[in-house]
Amino acid sequence: AQKITQTQPGMFVQEKEAVTLDCTYDTSDQSYGLFWYKQPSSGEMIFLIYQGSYDEQNATEGRYSLNFQKARKSANLVISASQLGDSAMYFCAMRERNAGNMLTFGGGTRLMVKP
Amino acid sequence: NAGVTQTPKFQVLKTGQSMTLQCAQDMNHEYMSWYRQDPGMGLRLIHYSVGAGITDQGEVPNGYNVSRSTTEDFPLRLLSAAPSQTSVYFCASSYGGQGAIGYTFGSGTRLTVV
Repeated sequence: AQKITQTQPGMFVQEKEAVTLDCTYDTSDQSYGLFWYKQPSSGEMIFLIYQGSYDEQNATEGRYSLNFQKARKSANLVISASQLGDSAMYFCAMRERNAGNMLTFGGGTRLMVKP
Repeated sequence: NAGVTQTPKFQVLKTGQSMTLQCAQDMNHEYMSWYRQDPGMGLRLIHYSVGAGITDQGEVPNGYNVSRSTTEDFPLRLLSAAPSQTSVYFCASSYGGQGAIGYTFGSGTRLTVV
């Protein structure tokens, strides 16, 4: 079974609108962390936001927020007020103690922002 | 600049050749790891290390070898390159443990095996 599933291979969003990128995960660990990374066309991996499994409040970092629904095992990324520079690949990843605290990545979502 | 340094940035190998991808970090991070990213896909873990002298296999370890003799360096060796190893390779490092620990990624090595 996939550990991290991102069901949207590609998405379009109009500039200045909000967009939600989906991520579901599978783990038997009680303590785990969820991350979102952005990969622009230049190729580097840019950390966006983190949510711990015991965090009761959804994480926010500027225009990024994480909609964490633990019972449903989902950790969706919400980008508000999209900008042209947000066009990139977005990866959801999970860190599990049982996996040596290394990251497991989803397949990614390509976001394209339209002017 | 502090961070994770990967060399080379680009490499073309012939099938059967061997080579070492270098990774060095100057942040005194305990954890280091190697990932590969195939076109249009996410990153997959090859090997990782939780400290000097300790290494372990990830999801796709076959055809690769690692060692960790110092905290700073974590080289990845391709023993006998195959076209299936054509990929972009990322090295990452982090402090150990739980919480919002940052994983710092190198800029990647683009490897083509012909």
